[in-house]
Amino acid sequence: EAGVAQSPRYKIIEKRQSVAFWCNPISGHATLYWYQQILGQGPKLLIQFQNNGVVDDSQLPKDRFSAERLKGVDSTLKIQPAKLEDSAVYLCASSLGGLGYGSGANVLTFGAGSRLTVL
Amino acid sequence: DQQVKQNSPSLSVQEGRISILNCDYTNSMFDYFLWYKKYPAEGPTFLISISSIKDKNEDGRFTVFLNKSAKHLSLHIVPSQPGDSAVYFCAASPYSGGYQKVTFGTGTKLQVIP
Repeated sequence: EAGVAQSPRYKIIEKRQSVAFWCNPISGHATLYWYQQILGQGPKLLIQFQNNGVVDDSQLPKDRFSAERLKGVDSTLKIQPAKLEDSAVYLCASSLGGLGYGSGANVLTFGAGSRLTVL
Repeated sequence: DQQVKQNSPSLSVQEGRISILNCDYTNSMFDYFLWYKKYPAEGPTFLISISSIKDKNEDGRFTVFLNKSAKHLSLHIVPSQPGDSAVYFCAASPYSGGYQKVTFGTGTKLQVIP
């Protein structure tokens, strides 16, 4: 099966500019995640979608970050305006989601990530 | 508040020996645990998981042990191979029915020396 696709792989912008990242999850995966991974740290969940509804965005800086998942498939994460501390790898992941305790429903498949450098 | 902790940022092991990576968690609602491996410039890939109804799960060279009373889990790799050199993330999620929020630790960089 095709994996999780992300683009662009690399992006360099200046602070106060805007940037958008795109993710196409594995076909049939209901749950889509955006994680931020700062160098030397573990992935931090920004937002989680179940189909096209948001189920968790408690750690998303909503004054500058926004995300949408139209039609429950592709997703876009936008940052506007960017700050220096937004320099990180933005990882998109998907999973089957839904009921499935211990069945692998919460095994995430990650894309290769989009590395953002803010100057 | 770091709910999943990996206190060893790095580990070096000789090829053929055992690698033991440790993980501690604080949230008693966690009941499903996963290990991911990450190579540079790639996304994390799923390695092995364990649910709280078990205390051990084995898959080839990889074994995960869970000690619920201590809120501790460990990943054993035997024998270690140079290709195992990567960053390993511990992750945990509660069973919440409709969806599962997965929380990651900070990672341990494993170097297997030939």
